[in-house]
This record gives sequence, C-alpha cells and structure tokens, in this order.
Amino acid sequence: EVQLVESGGGLVQPGGSLRLSCAASGFTFSSYAMHWVRQAPGKGLEYVSAISSNGGSTYYANSVKGRFTISRDNSKNTLYLQMGSLRAEDMAVYYCARGSPMVGFDYWGQGTLVTVSS
Amino acid sequence: DIQMTQSPSTLSASVGDRVTITCRASQSISSWLAWYQQKPGKAPKLLIYKASSLESGVPSRFSGSGSGTEFTLTISSLQPDDFATYYCQQYNSPWTFGQGTKVEIK
Repeated sequence: EVQLVESGGGLVQPGGSLRLSCAASGFTFSSYAMHWVRQAPGKGLEYVSAISSNGGSTYYANSVKGRFTISRDNSKNTLYLQMGSLRAEDMAVYYCARGSPMVGFDYWGQGTLVTVSS
Repeated sequence: DIQMTQSPSTLSASVGDRVTITCRASQSISSWLAWYQQKPGKAPKLLIYKASSLESGVPSRFSGSGSGTEFTLTISSLQPDDFATYYCQQYNSPWTFGQGTKVEIK
C-alpha cells in the first residue's frame, strides 16, 4: 500500500525557517517525481514545488522561489521541503504528492500544518 | 504560467441530480487534465486523469470530457458522499490548479 506521511509542521515566527519531511512507503520511491502542494486555511490548492525522480531537476512556484528548497533522499525514501524567510501568507497545510506524468498526482499525504505567527 | 478557471465556484444540488463542472485553460493543454475531490480536513483524491480516464476504484457516475482548453467533470447522479470540493489541475506545463468548485446540498 502506498503511503506518504508528512511531518515537521508547526508554529514559526515570520522570517523563520522550517523543514518539512514526507516519508514514502509501498512503492519504488526513486522512480517517481514528487511534489509539494499547499492549502491556506479556507482556500484552494496551490502548487508549490516539484523534484524529479533522481533529484536532478526542481521547480518552484514564483511565490516561493528563492525561499524554499525541495530535496529528496532516495536511500531514505524521504522528500523534504526546506522553507525559509517565512511569511504570513505561507501559512497553510502542506501536502506531499506522488507525481505520474500520465495521471497527475495519484497519491497524497495527509498534510502537515505550518503556522506563521509572532 | 497556464491559468485554470473553474465554474461555478459553488453549486447547490440535490441527491440524484446530474452535476457538471467546467474548467477552462488559458492555453491548450491537450488532454493533460486531472480532476480531484477534496472533503474537509482530508487530502485531495484523484478522480479523473488525462481528461477522461477514470482512476481505479472511482465510481462510474463520475466522468470527464474535453481537450485543448475546455473540460468538464460530470456526476451523473449525485450521491450523499459526493458533497465536496472539486479541483481541476493541468499537468502539461508545469502544474496548475483551478480555484475549486464546492458542491453543496440544496
């Protein structure tokens, strides 16, 4: 069974940093691109970042470019999102998702909440 | 970036109704479109991919159509479990979501 489990969310002050993790199991992690998607309270889904299966290519939404860094450790089956210079508008539930070029995002984690407040 | 526009934003319907949600892309995305269902406090769930292909395990009352810039999600007979928010997503270049359509009880 495919499972994606996010962790690392919490309360952080504006300007602070946080690292999210997404532990994957039930599939060959190193064969899939992975993604981060966020959802601010009461709002819609916003695409955040992507990383290729071998980590060689990354993509960032303009809203996080230069502040967030996506990475992965295929030996640990884990995806990361290092978030810096956090702003109030970064406050959201962050989901990791498995990407498939033919179907979109076929599996999602349960999400982890990031709260940015002083 | 490709913009995705869904309509309506909110839809009030009754059990048994036929429901249609539209998604328009700002430029052609061929058939690289997915539909997701999200319930409060839960992660999105893939329903339809490549515009019209039904994800395994998804009830056949859900269907998708369209190509290029205009797409639709249809629920042939709305069931109590279908009251949720639905999102379209283009995965042509690179990835963008629509703003969502909330299907609520009439």
